[in-house]
Amino acid sequence: DGGITQSPKYLFRKEGQNVTLSCEQNLNHDAMYWYRQDPGQGLRLIYYSQIVNDFQKGDIAEGYSVSREKKESFPLTVTSAQKNPTAFYLCASSISGGGAYYNEQFFGPGTRLTVL
Amino acid sequence: AQKVTQAQTEISVVEKEDVTLDCVYETRDTTYYLFWYKQPPSGELVFLIRRNSFDEQNEISGRYSWNFQKSTSSFNFTITASQVVDSAVYFCALSELGTNAGKSTFGDGTTLTVKP
Repeated sequence: DGGITQSPKYLFRKEGQNVTLSCEQNLNHDAMYWYRQDPGQGLRLIYYSQIVNDFQKGDIAEGYSVSREKKESFPLTVTSAQKNPTAFYLCASSISGGGAYYNEQFFGPGTRLTVL
Repeated sequence: AQKVTQAQTEISVVEKEDVTLDCVYETRDTTYYLFWYKQPPSGELVFLIRRNSFDEQNEISGRYSWNFQKSTSSFNFTITASQVVDSAVYFCALSELGTNAGKSTFGDGTTLTVKP
């Protein structure tokens, strides 16, 4: 079955620690995205990548970092510089990087990060 | 800058009632796409529909229908004869061809509760 997997589903972190959220897709999609969702709010874009070895900052990139070394993988690191990291994180992908504006996004099940 | 407004934060209806979810958008681009996604309690967003800026035809899919009106910059979603399984958060999203190609802007979502 094709899709997007995110792990872990729940993640607890102590203040001051970096943590990496995994996102893997086997849809052969070019574009991948990371969003943050806070209660009662919409999705805010953290980073996106339209092609391997390239990525761009989204609207709230501060305190986060990503890499795109493989087409199927787009891990997100939440660094200690992120002031309020407790949130629900969603990874998504779409077929075409350059034409991604007209393609729907496919989403993973999300990772709920809690900072203790 | 692109913006999506879903003014209805929460809607509660009784099963079999019809319900309309509003979406108003702002863009300076003439070429864009609008999307609706459903987020059930499990957390994973599911794509429902895509509509491009040059196609104002309304669309019906089973109990779901969409009304796109460029004159009012709206893309509203109606569920006819609602069911308990329709309970979810619904997001409207906008994606532009221009400099933001590859990025989607999401509204804050409307939480729909359908009571039996």
